[in-house]
Amino acid sequence: QLQLQESGPRLVKPSETLSLTCTVSGGSISTSNYYWGWIRQPPGKGLEWIANIYYSGSTYYSPSLKSRVTISVDTSKNQFSLKLSSVTAADTAVYYCARLVWSNSPNFDYWGQGTLVTVSS
Amino acid sequence: SYELTQPPSVSVSPGQTASITCSGDKLGDNYVCWYQQKPGQSPVMVIYHDSKRPSGIPERFSGSNSGNTATLTISGTQAIDEADYYCQAWDSSTVVFGGGTKLTVL
Repeated sequence: QLQLQESGPRLVKPSETLSLTCTVSGGSISTSNYYWGWIRQPPGKGLEWIANIYYSGSTYYSPSLKSRVTISVDTSKNQFSLKLSSVTAADTAVYYCARLVWSNSPNFDYWGQGTLVTVSS
Repeated sequence: SYELTQPPSVSVSPGQTASITCSGDKLGDNYVCWYQQKPGQSPVMVIYHDSKRPSGIPERFSGSNSGNTATLTISGTQAIDEADYYCQAWDSSTVVFGGGTKLTVL
């Protein structure tokens, strides 16, 4: 059974960089036809897509966050990571990592449990 | 940027049929999937490719997509179906989520 687990600091100061890692277990991140993505959800609000990455390094970014986001992959560790720079209180959210099925109907079929990251001084 | 619009809330009586809509420009030209999210839990996909159910999803969940509107239908709604539901599509190399609909089973 594929499992994804987010890890990283739960508290980040304004203007600093949020860094999270997703560790994939029960399967290889280098499997064809799957991207790996980050999605966030501010408290009490809806889902917002952030970015996706393929094991080869191919990426897609949300236009609204692209200038502040970097997504990367480490196939040797079966992990992928997110960096979000210049954070503000508006970046406080539960951050999920998920697997994206790369098809004519791209969809997230496995999700991590999510981690709440709070931006506060 | 592409937008998907969902009603904020839908109410249904137990045993009745719930319909949740998702609207977007020429949405029928894209494939849509749907996620269910219960409080404090991660989203779970209940429909993909407009109308396909992943393994383990009850048959009472179905979907359709035509024109500018996709619809998630829950037949014989049960109390356990009370949750937030999100539609999602892929457009211009981006993942797009609808704003979400809170389904209340009264």
